[in-house]
Amino acid sequence: GENVEQHPSTLSVQEGDSAVIKCTYSDSASNYFPWYKQELGKGPQLIIDIRSNVGEKKDQRIAVTLNKTAKHFSLHITETQPEDSAVYFCAASASGSARQLTFGSGTQLTVLP
Amino acid sequence: DVKVTQSSRYLVKRTGEKVFLECVQDMDHENMFWYRQDPGLGLRLIYFSYDVKMKEKGDIPEGYSVSREKKERFSLILESASTNQTSMYLCASSLGGVQAETQYFGPGTRLLVL
Repeated sequence: GENVEQHPSTLSVQEGDSAVIKCTYSDSASNYFPWYKQELGKGPQLIIDIRSNVGEKKDQRIAVTLNKTAKHFSLHITETQPEDSAVYFCAASASGSARQLTFGSGTQLTVLP
Repeated sequence: DVKVTQSSRYLVKRTGEKVFLECVQDMDHENMFWYRQDPGLGLRLIYFSYDVKMKEKGDIPEGYSVSREKKERFSLILESASTNQTSMYLCASSLGGVQAETQYFGPGTRLLVL
């Protein structure tokens, strides 16, 4: 089945700096790659997603890039703010069942004021 | 507004007890999911359902069962709770169809099995 690896597990940045989180996946048939943000005491919430026919997608301070050849995708957050502090999860669609997502292990991002 | 609710935020049970975790969505979604979340392991899929009375095993179904009698409600059952089932349980739903799409999560139930 699909395997998704996520790095780093923890990341601290100064407010205003950029943050990058990277994920690799194993199943070359995967074609949907969402990113979720989980704030303390809440369930994960989608922040951005990308499908395999697109190499990059941007939404204000957040961008995701996808390299299908290398089977990796990354989340980029620019001009980080304290409210960006949260756990971030990447995910990939499983080839066996397109409804399913396989999640990475998560990255705890801390933005220092 | 999209809403997924879970019956309890915190639950404490004894080893061997039967435990029911309830999830309700008000978005008329076809698909519903149960995950468990453990530190360093991310979210792991226990079971999912793509229609009423339909269910499919996820990656870690052992020790769990599910029930979906109505479209809006998806229940996770621990037949005989064990200490290694202490975890955060997250329910999610998505619109429907075979294409992977946005999943909407509930706030989670933190279960402690003593």
